[in-house]
Amino acid sequence: QSVLTQPPSASGTPGQRVTISCSGSSSNIGGYTVNWYQQLPGTAPKLLIYSDTQRPSGVPDRISGSKSGTSASLAISGLQSEDEADYYCAAWDDSLNGRWVFGAGTKLTVL
Amino acid sequence: EVQLVESGGGLGQPGRSLRLSCAASGFRFDDYAMHWVRQVPGRGLEWVSGISWSSGSIAYAESVKGRFTISRDNAKNSLYLQMNSLRGEDTALYYCAKGHEGHIKVAPDYWGQGTPVSVSS
Repeated sequence: QSVLTQPPSASGTPGQRVTISCSGSSSNIGGYTVNWYQQLPGTAPKLLIYSDTQRPSGVPDRISGSKSGTSASLAISGLQSEDEADYYCAAWDDSLNGRWVFGAGTKLTVL
Repeated sequence: EVQLVESGGGLGQPGRSLRLSCAASGFRFDDYAMHWVRQVPGRGLEWVSGISWSSGSIAYAESVKGRFTISRDNAKNSLYLQMNSLRGEDTALYYCAKGHEGHIKVAPDYWGQGTPVSVSS
């Protein structure tokens, strides 16, 4: 049972906009920033969004993050076939002496 | 270019030990926190442990607390994970990840390719 809750799957057609939600609590998302990772099959995770809304260099601006209260969302617009991957949200959690917690991941399928 | 290369994985017996290493290059190692994150094939990511730039702040997942020890050698640009009292549920691919800043509460950004650990008798 993951501390952060994500939908197991999402889908869209090329060019569409899709969003992936991540729900937590006051000990994690409510008090700390949210980060999003993309994991393509057989590869290591890649940081897509940090500090709720910031994109590392090289991440296109069609990818965006937002947060409100204890929930966050990742939005991908202009969906492309290469966006098909697993997406994970993560946040610091100050329970149990502090730890990083991840969502269980959302499998994005481009139809 | 940031490079993180893990080593030391392999087959370990239940109750025995393994030591993972991560060799870092392409950035000023002693400015950044470092983490270990593991993933069972086909499953999600599980954070294992993190260490701040100075080793002054260290944290562990409850599942490994008291069994695993994280450490770093800034002079050697290396991160380590001493894994004792291995259990079957420790079987996973172990990633070394660089923190975005010096404190462990800031997100990991770059990740290595991982080293596999399999615990079985």
